[in-house]
Amino acid sequence: DQQVKQNSPSLSVQEGRISILNCDYTNSMFDYFLWYKKYPAEGPTFLISISSIKDKNEDGRFTVFLNKSAKHLSLHIVPSQPGDSAVYFCAASVEDYGQNFVFGPGTRLSVLP
Amino acid sequence: ETGVTQSPTHLIKTRGQQVTLRCSSQSGHNTVSWYQQALGQGPQFIFQYYREEENGRGNFPPRFSGLQFPNYSSELNVNALELDDSALYLCASSFQGTSTDTQYFGPGTRLTVL
Repeated sequence: DQQVKQNSPSLSVQEGRISILNCDYTNSMFDYFLWYKKYPAEGPTFLISISSIKDKNEDGRFTVFLNKSAKHLSLHIVPSQPGDSAVYFCAASVEDYGQNFVFGPGTRLSVLP
Repeated sequence: ETGVTQSPTHLIKTRGQQVTLRCSSQSGHNTVSWYQQALGQGPQFIFQYYREEENGRGNFPPRFSGLQFPNYSSELNVNALELDDSALYLCASSFQGTSTDTQYFGPGTRLTVL
């Protein structure tokens, strides 16, 4: 039973356009959400987070949107760059100091030059 | 500032054997978490150690055990290996008391069980 779902295994986007990665969760107790990026042969790297008290958080080219009623969050990358090509994981936690992240299966983003 | 390192990079074992994976935390970090990432899936939380004691555990059987040492390095031990234990094992270090986004992951150890 997957509590965090990323229904698109892969996504291809043209350089300069917007990339939108989606994530759905089932556990209404989750109140802290994160996105990680992973390159081959490296560990996941933290990208951006959002607390359930917000519906948007922005950091440079990256914006995360949270829709609590739909239990849905999305990561927008604008403009997309070839260096953004990686696997993106959505993760959720019950509290922002919680030790138990629940990760989605990941979406592989390919940004084409 | 040194990052999180893991050893070995790759490992091949046979069913029933035991394995020990190692992790060196980032300098200044006192907490380490271990994750299992099966092929095509996201990382799954195994357990966390804080000040040498287990501080939370995911849905993994007791044959998965760990240690954290006074220098905050850590080991993951898996006994009686099964084929399904084949995965990438990630450790992540952090400083307890900071927000969850400050977990730093190592590159992982890829374990293959034959």
